[in-house]
Amino acid sequence: EAEVAQSPRYKITEKSQAVAFWCDPISGHATLYWYRQILGQGPELLVQFQDESVVDDSQLPKDRFSAERLKGVDSTLKIQPAELGDSAMYLCASSPRRLPYGYTFGSGTRLTVV
Amino acid sequence: SQQGEEDPQALSIQEGENATMNCSYKTSINNLQWYRQNSGRGLVHLILIRSNEREKHSGRLRVTLDTSKKSSSLLITASRAADTASYFCATGTQGGSEKLVFGKGTKLTVNP
Repeated sequence: EAEVAQSPRYKITEKSQAVAFWCDPISGHATLYWYRQILGQGPELLVQFQDESVVDDSQLPKDRFSAERLKGVDSTLKIQPAELGDSAMYLCASSPRRLPYGYTFGSGTRLTVV
Repeated sequence: SQQGEEDPQALSIQEGENATMNCSYKTSINNLQWYRQNSGRGLVHLILIRSNEREKHSGRLRVTLDTSKKSSSLLITASRAADTASYFCATGTQGGSEKLVFGKGTKLTVNP
């Protein structure tokens, strides 16, 4: 069964350092999402891509977060500088174009900022 | 911001019993989805119900949607210990880009 690949699985970083997460969606899925999930809460959307274009980044803290999806395939989410409050699970998901489909999520990256 | 609100926040039952979780939301939707998340893992899609549907089944899962009350319920019948997980409802908005807004989830524990 096709999967959404994410790496690393776990990341510990010091405050003010830069950190990056990678996501490879299911082949052929045009839409890619990055969500952040704080422990005990539901995922919150950070950024949505349609192919290589950003469709929604209204909740992305743009002073420190950036995301790209060059060539419309895999994607990288970066935080610079990391803050203590960024500690969370970062989840990537993908879905087919246009129609409402269920999302396929990756296993996530657990970030701890110390 | 989170649109869906699951109820209860936590639920503990015995194996074999049925589990019912509810979700309320605030704005108009075109679909509602339920996901399961095992501890420390990604979310798994369970079922999608469109705004013009009232009930949907998938195996031991039954989902209902009442758009007039802006609410949905997920019923898991004959629960198993392996059903222990957090369950989230997510709403898909009408028009524009298709994105899901998740609730805070219900933590279900099924005791053997």
